Amino acid sequence: GQNIDQPTEMTATEGAIVQINCTYQTSGFNGLFWYQQHAGEAPTFLSYNVLDGLEEKGRFSSFLSRSKGYSYLLLKELQMKDSASYLCAVMDSNYQLIWGAGTKLIIKP
Amino acid sequence: GAVVSQHPSWVICKSGTSVKIECRSLDFQATTMFWYRQFPKQSLMLMATSNEGSKATYEQGVEKDKFLINHASLTLSTLTVTSAHPEDSSFYICSASSGEQTYNEQFFGPGTRLTVL
Repeated sequence: GQNIDQPTEMTATEGAIVQINCTYQTSGFNGLFWYQQHAGEAPTFLSYNVLDGLEEKGRFSSFLSRSKGYSYLLLKELQMKDSASYLCAVMDSNYQLIWGAGTKLIIKP
Repeated sequence: GAVVSQHPSWVICKSGTSVKIECRSLDFQATTMFWYRQFPKQSLMLMATSNEGSKATYEQGVEKDKFLINHASLTLSTLTVTSAHPEDSSFYICSASSGEQTYNEQFFGPGTRLTVL
């Protein structure tokens, strides 16, 4: 079956760095997405990786290793507004998004 | 660009009534629209995928006669929850894809919170 695993919850300190991991097993692979979702709101797109390596976008970076079925989202210089759930999603061979359960990130002052 | 709207943002209805939720792509043509449901503290669950002018493809376990989806134009899809019951209370989110990007990015609407009394 298809499976996306990510930690349920993480806590970090304002100004620090946090890495949210995601491992996946899917039927085919057409890219991995990271989305941010604040409580009561819809997800917003953060990043897309389809090739191995690191994609950097401001304070956020996303890494992919297809051979390991592994990705991480790295958040630097954490701000209170970064408190949210971070969803990992993989696009399978049918171009369908398979969603992880999300990681709730709590930022403390 | 790539804005998706949903209406209404929230709705409260009595058990047994039907509720229609609209999803619109405001500045692009959405060849494909997706409907998701999200229960508290859970991930998004895809309910169905619809392409303009054709019948929606429902995920396993989703009753197509209960959740009616219409994708009549390239900018509008509707989800009708028929004979709603309290267990249908959830956060319903639509997303749209133009199919133009190589990775078919989905753009999400703001969601509709449905409460069935």
